[in-house]
Amino acid sequence: QQQVKQSPQSLIVQKGGISIINCAYENTAFDYFPWYQQFPGKGPALLIAIRPDVSEKKEGRFTISFNKSAKQFSLHIMDSQPGDSATYFCAASKETSGSRLTFGEGTQLTVNP
Amino acid sequence: GAVVSQHPSWVICKSGTSVKIECRSLDFQATTMFWYRQFPKQSLMLMATSNEGSKATYEQGVEKDKFLINHASLTLSTLTVTSAHPEDSSFYICSARKFRRPRLNTEAFFGQGTRLTVV
Repeated sequence: QQQVKQSPQSLIVQKGGISIINCAYENTAFDYFPWYQQFPGKGPALLIAIRPDVSEKKEGRFTISFNKSAKQFSLHIMDSQPGDSATYFCAASKETSGSRLTFGEGTQLTVNP
Repeated sequence: GAVVSQHPSWVICKSGTSVKIECRSLDFQATTMFWYRQFPKQSLMLMATSNEGSKATYEQGVEKDKFLINHASLTLSTLTVTSAHPEDSSFYICSARKFRRPRLNTEAFFGQGTRLTVV
């Protein structure tokens, strides 16, 4: 079954701290792993994505760590800011077949000032 | 980045009426668009995959006669909620995939969503 498990469900971090959100997948055919950020009443926006040929990708304060053998990947938000408060979704898909995204359950992140 | 525009942003309709939601890719052609439904504090649930020029593919449990999808051009897909009822009230979101050759890129761009309230 194509599932993506995401944790934690909610996360509270102090300003300047590190936010870490984890995801695990089952389907070894997945080869594209994006993270999306969603603000209330808005559609999701792509934050950062990784493919399994690398173990880490960094863009600004956002880093994806990928562990292919464990079938896990995580999002790290460094120097978290109140403006980062949003819901974050991990997702996975099979790139070459152009298939649809399978989303995790989401993590509600709150960054306190 | 690519832009996907969804209209309307919110709509209130009476029970029994139909509502049409439009999803447009503004600066790229999208042969495939996806329609999602999202309940409060929940994840996105894929409803159907919309392919230009062909019938949509619906996920299990989604009534195709209730949620009509039309993808008549490479930049427009529409979702019509027919005979809407209060339980259809939800946040509907479309997305379009932008493929770049020679390497396929499954980057998906999402519309801003449509809040449907059926009273």
